[in-house]
Amino acid sequence: DTGVSQDPRHKITKRGQNVTFRCDPISEHNRLYWYRQTLGQGPEFLTYFQNEAQLEKSRLLSDRFSAERPKGSFSTLEIQRTEQGDSAMYLCASSPRRGTDTQYFGPGTRLTVL
Amino acid sequence: AQKVTQAQTEISVVEKEDVTLDCVYETRDTTYYLFWYKQPPSGELVFLIRRNSFDEQNEISGRYSWNFQKSTSSFNFTITASQVVDSAVYFCALSPNDMNYGGATNKLIFGTGTLLAIQP
Repeated sequence: DTGVSQDPRHKITKRGQNVTFRCDPISEHNRLYWYRQTLGQGPEFLTYFQNEAQLEKSRLLSDRFSAERPKGSFSTLEIQRTEQGDSAMYLCASSPRRGTDTQYFGPGTRLTVL
Repeated sequence: AQKVTQAQTEISVVEKEDVTLDCVYETRDTTYYLFWYKQPPSGELVFLIRRNSFDEQNEISGRYSWNFQKSTSSFNFTITASQVVDSAVYFCALSPNDMNYGGATNKLIFGTGTLLAIQP
């Protein structure tokens, strides 16, 4: 099995621009999660999908953030009108099947907003 | 409230010493899972162990061992005979009961991590 992949690995953008990140989960994993990690902190949950259904969203996910998983495979996380406070590592994780409980993480996308 | 506390921000030991990383959690759920992840300098979180709330048996995997005590809400991690390659940030995490799917878990609640530096 290949692991969770994320693209891009690094993104530098100017404040006010929109950015989109992609996550490809491990094949046949039907749960997919997004987390955000800032320097010196643990990852914080943003949202998760069971197949294509978005089942939970954190209060951290402001209106400028949107996540999709249209066909239940890869997912995208879009941030509109980026702010400097959005600078962080965005981590994606997937878990094998409904009912299981181990999440496997990708390498993350590091976002820098200038 | 659900919370994980890792009070040790940084630990530095000399290679071959034993080291214990502390983790204290808070939850009102009776069913939950606890995890440890390793984050090396490359940044990718590596899964180490999962424990469910009904299994208080300690676990040993090579040089790694975990001590789960519900009475003190702790899930501590010990590395025996540490090596330089163990240097990383270690995170403890809690996953509450998922009411959507009868016991499956959803989000992970992480502590702030412990930076472990093993000196040669």
